[in-house]
Amino acid sequence: ETGVTQTPRHLVMGMTNKKSLKCEQHLGHNAMYWYKQSAKKPLELMFVYSLEERVENNSVPSRFSPECPNSSHLFLHLHTLQPEDSALYLCASSQDLPGGTAETQYFGPGTRLLVL
Amino acid sequence: AQSVAQPEDQVNVAEGNPLTVKCTYSVSGNPYLFWYVQYPNRGLQFLLKYITGDNLVKGSYGFEAEFNKSQTSFHLKKPSALVSDSALYFCAVRDMSRTGLTFGKGTMLLVSP
Repeated sequence: ETGVTQTPRHLVMGMTNKKSLKCEQHLGHNAMYWYKQSAKKPLELMFVYSLEERVENNSVPSRFSPECPNSSHLFLHLHTLQPEDSALYLCASSQDLPGGTAETQYFGPGTRLLVL
Repeated sequence: AQSVAQPEDQVNVAEGNPLTVKCTYSVSGNPYLFWYVQYPNRGLQFLLKYITGDNLVKGSYGFEAEFNKSQTSFHLKKPSALVSDSALYFCAVRDMSRTGLTFGKGTMLLVSP
């Protein structure tokens, strides 16, 4: 479980705040992901970065802004969030190989976000 | 579009009995299938995956899953359940047109002593 770390583990913010979630992977992987886990809903894929380039953006509102400065770090910048954005935000990483294989994604413990 | 269905919100089983957690999927090409487990206040832990080859896949903690192409199913099984297996289980699928996983809504497994 220490392969992918996330900070903070818990975050409470008001709707006018700006905050950032951080993810770091120590596995030497080249792809990183943000997922949102809400109560009673399936995990939703938000963003995918491969080799530090964003390769997937699943219709996520612009109040969520990802950043991948290098292959080990991934951020999710938050601003003017809504109460319905309260959820567990999970980061994952994998080693994607040329030609495409379904490599295993390894998850961090998540950041529990509450928007008031 | 790819999708995953886990028809049971909760599965109850007595310790020592066999368990099955059901999963069916829909993808346009060859499926790549995964099972993850989530304990309270923790992230998802990888259990096993099917890419190709034998239809019976063995994974961590004594779990296994059977891939059935005709029924588009990938049910998770364990011959003898432990109380410590109680957790939330997620089935996920990926096809090679996407990079992320599509998850089912999860099944809560409760193993009673």
